[in-house]
Amino acid sequence: LAKTTQPISMDSYEGQEVNITCSHNNIATNDYITWYQQFPSQGPRFIIQGYKTKVTNEVASLFIPADRKSSTLSLPRVSLSDTAVYYCLVGDAGGYQKVTFGTGTKLQVIP
Amino acid sequence: GAGVSQSPSNKVTEKGKDVELRCDPISGHTALYWYRQRLGQGLEFLIYFQGNSAPDKSGLPSDRFSAERTGESVSTLTIQRTQQEDSAVYLCASSFRGKKNEQYFGPGTRLTVT
Repeated sequence: LAKTTQPISMDSYEGQEVNITCSHNNIATNDYITWYQQFPSQGPRFIIQGYKTKVTNEVASLFIPADRKSSTLSLPRVSLSDTAVYYCLVGDAGGYQKVTFGTGTKLQVIP
Repeated sequence: GAGVSQSPSNKVTEKGKDVELRCDPISGHTALYWYRQRLGQGLEFLIYFQGNSAPDKSGLPSDRFSAERTGESVSTLTIQRTQQEDSAVYLCASSFRGKKNEQYFGPGTRLTVT
């Protein structure tokens, strides 16, 4: 299983763009990169997934360089409601290997 | 449509008692997962079902923990002889087969062992 490393915490002011980087040096060919968001007292919520280059949806963008050894989740113009823990996961979509959530990055948005 | 539901939402039990936690996945999701999350910690994988079979039970902390799934639907996680260290939020998630990176989580069951 590819191990991931991400910052434990980050602070940002409202309205700023936030970039959270995740390192995954031993990512395998079949692995995808997935990000989840977890608000207090709720289960995690899938927000974005990618394999290479850039993926964008209504919530976030995911940037993956050519070597795929890292990825960056970008949240445009954050608001207080974006305060949450963000988890980076790396793994293949099928198969029987478990999905491993790390400790995540706690993002605190400041007014 | 309906999401993943879990019951009860909260459970307080005395040390040594058995508890059963229930998960109803999204209809059509053949894969189901159980996690444990202690206060302020990340998610700890417990067990994974594909259909009614559990190919990966590696995360179950001890033989006091067991889980089953029937009809490729509802799953129950049973903790026997509960201990105080079992206190945590137990989260259930489901996904389509071959989409285990895209899991949909329930609200969790908060278990407190006194």
